[in-house]
Amino acid sequence: EAGVTQFPSHSVIEKGQTVTLRCDPISGHDNLYWYRRVMGKEIKFLLHFVKESKQDESGMPNNRFLAERTGGTYSTLKVQPAELEDSGVYFCASSQEAWRDLAKNIQYFGAGTRLSVL
Amino acid sequence: AQSVTQLGSHVSVSEGALVLLRCNYSSSVPPYLFWYVQYPNQGLQLLLKYTSAATLVKGINGFEAEFKKSETSFHLTKPSAHMSDAAEYFCAVSEGDKIIFGKGTRLHILP
Repeated sequence: EAGVTQFPSHSVIEKGQTVTLRCDPISGHDNLYWYRRVMGKEIKFLLHFVKESKQDESGMPNNRFLAERTGGTYSTLKVQPAELEDSGVYFCASSQEAWRDLAKNIQYFGAGTRLSVL
Repeated sequence: AQSVTQLGSHVSVSEGALVLLRCNYSSSVPPYLFWYVQYPNQGLQLLLKYTSAATLVKGINGFEAEFKKSETSFHLTKPSAHMSDAAEYFCAVSEGDKIIFGKGTRLHILP
């Protein structure tokens, strides 16, 4: 069974450009999460989808970030326009169980996309 | 809001020696706690999790962690380090639908 896959693995762009990150969750997982790790800091939650609906987007830093999950399958995270402080590693995770069932809710993570904004 | 503190951003141990990675959490209610590991060029992998059952939790690759409520700690241990254990380890706590991570500890194994 394929795990969570993320594309691209590394992206280098200039300040002001647009970048789109993609995440393919494990097949059958309704819950999809985005996290980000800025260099030297903790991995921080960005948002949570249940199928195609945004359950929680409290961690999104500002309106330059747009996440979508059309059809409840893969998700994209667009940064437009990118700023220097957006550099970091963006992780995607998915889980099968309802997030409220915390004892069973295991989030499976992808390898991440390293974004470098120059 | 909950938080997780990992003591030591880098820890070095000799091959065959005890591995001890420290983690303290802040929570007003019994939390669900996790240890994740990230090997080079790979995703975060769940090592083990505590969900209020047994306080001593056994995980993969010989790792285990003990939940100590009185100390608000969830330290990760392995009796004998192997070269393949070199990685970055993250302690984490659940908060609603999200996971709150510590800053991570990079484990170096000395030959």
